[in-house]
Amino acid sequence: EIVLTQSPGTLSLSPGERATLSCRASQSVSSNSLAWYQQKPGQAPRLLIYAASSRATGIPDRFSGSGSGTDFTLTISRLEPEDFAVYYCQQYGSSPWTFGQGTKVEI
Amino acid sequence: EVQLVESGGGLVKPGGSLRLSCAASGFTVSNTWMTWVRQAPGKGLEWVGRIKRKSDGGTTDYAAPVKGRFTISRDDSKNTLYLQMNSLKTEDTAVYYCSETLGHWGQGTLVTVSS
Repeated sequence: EIVLTQSPGTLSLSPGERATLSCRASQSVSSNSLAWYQQKPGQAPRLLIYAASSRATGIPDRFSGSGSGTDFTLTISRLEPEDFAVYYCQQYGSSPWTFGQGTKVEI
Repeated sequence: EVQLVESGGGLVKPGGSLRLSCAASGFTVSNTWMTWVRQAPGKGLEWVGRIKRKSDGGTTDYAAPVKGRFTISRDDSKNTLYLQMNSLKTEDTAVYYCSETLGHWGQGTLVTVSS
């Protein structure tokens, strides 16, 4: 099973700042099959990024994904008030699919 | 518009069974890989399992904690996905979400396993 480790656990930033979230895999993620999700309290997760760097439909371009192999990054270029949430990475290249433990982005 | 609506959650005793439903609209469930994910209270996301689209064989795969107890299926005539949960344990308590793999999610349904 591929273990995904996200860091930091919590990121304290202000609106307008840049956020850099890390997701490290215990072994190489097949075909860069790595997704990022955003979850706000009381809501279902929302897909942001798939295939490591492709933005999902309707996702603003301030969200970008990068990386390959075992190291992946989600960058939010300029935080908007609505971006404060928990972010999860997920690998879907090898069974069982797995999630990271999440990074909370707070004000 | 794509919509997924889960139902069937509730309170069940340890060892009991429950079947969750996920009614889809705006797309065809049999043409899409579908996934179940759960989230225990105050915890992170946990992948439960997935079913491939019919053209890819329609096979299922499960996470180790639920393998042999949970079964994913679909009814094409109802455009609905199911999660049959047997031999439930207290640690299965969670909000259960269905989703298009790499797509839209439902709002979730709460399953509480307690005596």
